[in-house]
Amino acid sequence: DTGVSQNPRHKITKRGQNVTFRCDPISEHNRLYWYRQTLGQGPEFLTYFQNEAQLEKSRLLSDRFSAERPKGSFSTLEIQRTEQGDSAMYLCASRGTGNTGELFFGEGSRLTVL
Amino acid sequence: GEDVEQSLFLSVREGDSSVINCTYTDSSSTYLYWYKQEPGAGLQLLTYIFSNMDMKQDQRLTVLLNKKDKHLSLRIADTQTGDSAIYFCAASGGYNKLIFGAGTRLAVHP
Repeated sequence: DTGVSQNPRHKITKRGQNVTFRCDPISEHNRLYWYRQTLGQGPEFLTYFQNEAQLEKSRLLSDRFSAERPKGSFSTLEIQRTEQGDSAMYLCASRGTGNTGELFFGEGSRLTVL
Repeated sequence: GEDVEQSLFLSVREGDSSVINCTYTDSSSTYLYWYKQEPGAGLQLLTYIFSNMDMKQDQRLTVLLNKKDKHLSLRIADTQTGDSAIYFCAASGGYNKLIFGAGTRLAVHP
Protein backbone atom coordinates (compact mmCIF):
# COMPACT_ATOMS: atom_id res chain seq x y z
CA ASP A 1 0.00 0.00 0.00
CA THR A 2 1.56 3.26 -1.06
CA GLY A 3 0.40 6.58 0.27
CA VAL A 4 0.81 9.98 -1.33
CA SER A 5 4.36 10.44 -2.58
CA GLN A 6 6.06 13.79 -3.14
CA ASN A 7 9.39 14.61 -4.78
CA PRO A 8 11.77 16.12 -4.10
CA ARG A 9 11.46 16.27 -0.34
CA HIS A 10 13.76 19.27 -0.12
CA LYS A 11 14.76 21.85 -2.69
CA ILE A 12 17.14 24.76 -2.20
CA THR A 13 17.25 27.25 -5.02
CA LYS A 14 18.40 30.75 -5.77
CA ARG A 15 15.94 33.57 -6.25
CA GLY A 16 14.79 33.79 -9.83
CA GLN A 17 15.16 30.10 -10.63
CA ASN A 18 12.27 27.80 -11.57
CA VAL A 19 11.36 24.77 -9.49
CA THR A 20 8.98 21.87 -10.06
CA PHE A 21 7.44 19.53 -7.52
CA ARG A 22 5.80 16.24 -8.28
CA CYS A 23 2.98 14.47 -6.45
CA ASP A 24 1.85 10.89 -6.93
CA PRO A 25 -1.51 10.42 -5.22
CA ILE A 26 -3.00 7.22 -3.87
CA SER A 27 -3.75 5.28 -7.04
CA GLU A 28 -7.53 5.04 -6.82
CA HIS A 29 -7.99 8.67 -5.73
CA ASN A 30 -9.40 10.96 -8.41
CA ARG A 31 -9.10 14.21 -6.43
CA LEU A 32 -5.81 15.92 -5.80
CA TYR A 33 -4.99 19.06 -3.82
CA TRP A 34 -1.98 21.30 -3.36
CA TYR A 35 -1.51 23.24 -0.13
CA ARG A 36 1.23 25.54 1.10
CA GLN A 37 2.37 25.66 4.71
CA THR A 38 4.64 28.30 6.18
CA LEU A 39 6.27 28.14 9.61
CA GLY A 40 3.77 28.37 12.42
CA GLN A 41 0.75 28.29 10.12
CA GLY A 42 -1.75 25.74 9.00
CA PRO A 43 -1.88 24.49 5.42
CA GLU A 44 -3.35 27.01 2.97
CA PHE A 45 -5.27 25.77 -0.04
CA LEU A 46 -3.67 26.44 -3.43
CA THR A 47 -5.51 24.37 -6.02
CA TYR A 48 -7.70 21.31 -6.62
CA PHE A 49 -8.00 18.76 -9.42
CA GLN A 50 -10.71 16.28 -10.12
CA ASN A 51 -9.16 13.81 -12.52
CA GLU A 52 -7.26 16.00 -15.00
CA ALA A 53 -9.49 19.06 -14.60
CA GLN A 54 -8.26 21.92 -12.41
CA LEU A 55 -11.49 23.03 -10.75
CA GLU A 56 -10.38 25.67 -8.30
CA LYS A 57 -7.38 27.94 -7.78
CA SER A 58 -6.73 30.09 -4.74
CA ARG A 59 -5.78 33.74 -5.05
CA LEU A 60 -2.52 32.63 -3.41
CA LEU A 61 -1.63 30.98 -6.70
CA SER A 62 -0.03 33.88 -8.53
CA ASP A 63 0.81 33.86 -12.24
CA ARG A 64 4.23 32.43 -11.40
CA PHE A 65 2.61 29.24 -10.16
CA SER A 66 1.20 26.57 -12.45
CA ALA A 67 -0.14 23.15 -11.61
CA GLU A 68 -1.00 20.33 -13.96
CA ARG A 69 -2.39 16.85 -13.78
CA PRO A 70 -2.16 15.77 -17.40
CA LYS A 71 -3.48 12.23 -17.23
CA GLY A 72 -5.44 12.43 -14.03
CA SER A 73 -2.76 10.58 -12.10
CA PHE A 74 0.37 12.41 -10.91
CA SER A 75 0.50 16.18 -10.64
CA THR A 76 3.24 18.80 -10.92
CA LEU A 77 3.46 22.21 -9.31
CA GLU A 78 5.87 24.61 -10.99
CA ILE A 79 7.02 27.91 -9.53
CA GLN A 80 8.70 30.26 -11.98
CA ARG A 81 11.09 33.07 -11.03
CA THR A 82 11.09 32.04 -7.38
CA GLU A 83 11.07 34.68 -4.66
CA GLN A 84 12.15 34.39 -1.04
CA GLY A 85 8.51 34.59 -0.01
CA ASP A 86 7.90 31.31 -1.84
CA SER A 87 9.92 29.46 0.83
CA ALA A 88 7.46 27.04 2.40
CA MET A 89 6.41 23.43 2.63
CA TYR A 90 4.29 22.41 -0.36
CA LEU A 91 1.88 19.67 0.58
CA CYS A 92 -0.03 17.42 -1.77
CA ALA A 93 -3.13 15.52 -0.71
CA SER A 94 -5.52 13.15 -2.42
CA ARG A 95 -9.02 12.00 -1.79
CA GLY A 96 -11.21 9.20 -3.06
CA THR A 97 -14.88 9.30 -3.96
CA GLY A 98 -16.22 8.50 -0.50
CA ASN A 99 -18.49 10.93 1.31
CA THR A 100 -16.39 11.56 4.40
CA GLY A 101 -14.09 13.92 2.55
CA GLU A 102 -10.87 13.27 4.39
CA LEU A 103 -7.65 14.18 2.64
CA PHE A 104 -4.56 11.98 2.72
CA PHE A 105 -1.37 14.00 2.74
CA GLY A 106 2.12 13.35 1.47
CA GLU A 107 5.23 14.19 3.47
CA GLY A 108 5.60 17.50 1.65
CA SER A 109 8.27 19.21 -0.43
CA ARG A 110 10.19 21.88 1.44
CA LEU A 111 11.35 24.80 -0.69
CA THR A 112 14.06 27.20 0.45
CA VAL A 113 14.73 30.20 -1.77
CA LEU A 114 18.03 31.95 -1.07
CA GLY B 1 -15.39 32.02 3.34
CA GLU B 2 -14.68 29.51 6.04
CA ASP B 3 -12.38 30.53 8.87
CA VAL B 4 -10.99 28.18 11.51
CA GLU B 5 -9.35 29.32 14.74
CA GLN B 6 -7.44 27.43 17.40
CA SER B 7 -5.45 28.26 20.48
CA LEU B 8 -1.77 28.05 19.63
CA PHE B 9 -0.19 26.20 22.53
CA LEU B 10 -1.09 23.63 25.20
CA SER B 11 1.17 22.10 27.82
CA VAL B 12 0.11 19.04 29.81
CA ARG B 13 1.64 16.54 32.19
CA GLU B 14 2.11 12.98 31.00
CA GLY B 15 -0.91 10.87 31.96
CA ASP B 16 -3.31 13.84 32.12
CA SER B 17 -6.02 14.57 29.56
CA SER B 18 -5.46 17.17 26.86
CA VAL B 19 -8.28 19.23 25.40
CA ILE B 20 -7.68 21.15 22.18
CA ASN B 21 -10.34 23.61 21.08
CA CYS B 22 -11.36 24.97 17.71
CA THR B 23 -14.00 27.33 16.37
CA TYR B 24 -15.18 27.61 12.78
CA THR B 25 -17.45 29.99 10.94
CA ASP B 26 -19.26 28.08 8.19
CA SER B 27 -22.23 26.24 9.63
CA SER B 28 -22.66 24.29 6.38
CA SER B 29 -19.43 22.32 6.95
CA THR B 30 -20.51 18.72 6.60
CA TYR B 31 -17.51 17.12 8.24
CA LEU B 32 -14.92 18.42 10.68
CA TYR B 33 -11.51 16.87 11.06
CA TRP B 34 -8.53 16.62 13.36
CA TYR B 35 -5.07 16.12 11.91
CA LYS B 36 -1.72 15.59 13.66
CA GLN B 37 1.63 16.82 12.35
CA GLU B 38 4.96 15.74 13.77
CA PRO B 39 8.14 17.74 13.04
CA GLY B 40 9.16 17.66 9.38
CA ALA B 41 6.28 15.41 8.40
CA GLY B 42 3.01 15.69 6.54
CA LEU B 43 -0.41 15.69 8.15
CA GLN B 44 -1.92 12.50 9.53
CA LEU B 45 -5.69 12.21 9.85
CA LEU B 46 -6.63 11.39 13.45
CA THR B 47 -10.40 11.43 13.33
CA TYR B 48 -13.40 13.23 11.89
CA ILE B 49 -16.97 13.89 12.91
CA PHE B 50 -20.10 14.31 10.84
CA SER B 51 -21.89 17.58 11.51
CA ASN B 52 -25.07 15.92 12.78
CA MET B 53 -23.17 14.17 15.58
CA ASP B 54 -22.40 15.61 19.00
CA MET B 55 -19.65 13.24 20.00
CA LYS B 56 -17.36 10.62 18.57
CA GLN B 57 -15.00 8.40 20.53
CA ASP B 58 -12.08 6.53 19.04
CA GLN B 59 -9.83 4.81 21.60
CA ARG B 60 -8.08 7.62 23.53
CA LEU B 61 -9.62 10.33 21.35
CA THR B 62 -12.97 12.00 21.99
CA VAL B 63 -14.35 14.63 19.64
CA LEU B 64 -17.11 16.95 20.84
CA LEU B 65 -19.07 19.14 18.44
CA ASN B 66 -21.30 22.03 19.46
CA LYS B 67 -22.86 22.97 16.18
CA LYS B 68 -24.84 25.87 17.61
CA ASP B 69 -21.65 27.56 18.85
CA LYS B 70 -19.54 26.20 15.95
CA HIS B 71 -17.11 24.78 18.48
CA LEU B 72 -15.11 21.58 18.10
CA SER B 73 -12.83 19.98 20.66
CA LEU B 74 -10.43 17.06 20.74
CA ARG B 75 -9.78 15.31 24.01
CA ILE B 76 -6.79 12.99 24.32
CA ALA B 77 -6.99 10.74 27.35
CA ASP B 78 -3.85 9.57 29.18
CA THR B 79 -1.61 11.86 27.14
CA GLN B 80 1.81 10.41 26.35
CA THR B 81 5.07 12.01 25.22
CA GLY B 82 4.45 10.52 21.78
CA ASP B 83 1.38 12.73 21.52
CA SER B 84 3.60 15.83 21.40
CA ALA B 85 2.89 17.36 18.00
CA ILE B 86 0.87 20.07 16.28
CA TYR B 87 -2.85 19.38 16.02
CA PHE B 88 -4.90 20.96 13.25
CA CYS B 89 -8.63 21.40 13.14
CA ALA B 90 -10.12 21.49 9.63
CA ALA B 91 -13.55 22.17 8.18
CA SER B 92 -14.88 21.52 4.71
CA GLY B 93 -14.85 24.78 2.76
CA GLY B 94 -16.59 24.12 -0.52
CA TYR B 95 -15.35 22.31 -3.66
CA ASN B 96 -14.37 19.55 -1.31
CA LYS B 97 -11.35 21.39 0.01
CA LEU B 98 -10.49 21.63 3.68
CA ILE B 99 -9.76 24.86 5.54
CA PHE B 100 -7.26 24.47 8.35
CA GLY B 101 -6.64 26.36 11.55
CA ALA B 102 -3.16 27.55 12.47
CA GLY B 103 -2.59 24.51 14.66
CA THR B 104 -2.22 23.89 18.39
CA ARG B 105 1.22 22.82 19.56
CA LEU B 106 0.84 20.19 22.29
CA ALA B 107 3.79 19.76 24.63
CA VAL B 108 3.72 16.80 27.02
CA HIS B 109 6.09 16.92 29.97
CA PRO B 110 6.87 14.27 32.59
